[in-house]
Amino acid sequence: AQSVTQLDSHVSVSEGTPVLLRCNYSSSYSPSLFWYVQHPNKGLQLLLKYTSAATLVKGINGFEAEFKKSETSFHLTKPSAHMSDAAEYFCVVSGRYKLSFGAGTTVTVRA
Amino acid sequence: EAQVTQNPRYLITVTGKKLTVTCSQNMNHEYMSWYRQDPGLGLRQIYYSMNVEVTDKGDVPEGYKVSRKEKRNFPLILESPSPNQTSLYFCASSSPQGATEAFFGQGTRLTVV
Repeated sequence: AQSVTQLDSHVSVSEGTPVLLRCNYSSSYSPSLFWYVQHPNKGLQLLLKYTSAATLVKGINGFEAEFKKSETSFHLTKPSAHMSDAAEYFCVVSGRYKLSFGAGTTVTVRA
Repeated sequence: EAQVTQNPRYLITVTGKKLTVTCSQNMNHEYMSWYRQDPGLGLRQIYYSMNVEVTDKGDVPEGYKVSRKEKRNFPLILESPSPNQTSLYFCASSSPQGATEAFFGQGTRLTVV
């Protein structure tokens, strides 16, 4: 069995300040973990993925995430938010035949 | 260009009128699946297919059917749509499921009145 919990349903930040999106997971296997972003009225775009190589994963647009097995966490960060980062973000764990999604975190960026 | 194509993008229909949402991928992926997205629930898997003629239920299969006659196509069928199937639907493909990323279609926004 696998599941994902995104700890914040909504995060609001000022432009130029750091962004932190928190994700905890559970999995019976050694997990593959992903972060996807969905901009309004758009499909899902892969930000980054963890597949048991380096625990610090760098993705697109300045995002990175750190896999911590002891904490079963995979938090997403960005040092400096941009207005274009306003979107919904999904933490995802991959199982044998399906992806399990968190409920999503909506990011608002204030000018 | 690698892509997953869904049609239609938007659909309004009436209760009970059968409809099909098509999904096609050009990456020769074995694995395809359908998800529905509802506010506060993330995406939930409806059905998946591991290869041609091999399909199985996901977490929320009630009221849906699928078929996989060709590797590239994986249509979603609603035999008798109901208002609780109003949702945003995504088709995804990957090869194989697991460590590789899934590619998603642009989504189909379905409204059943």
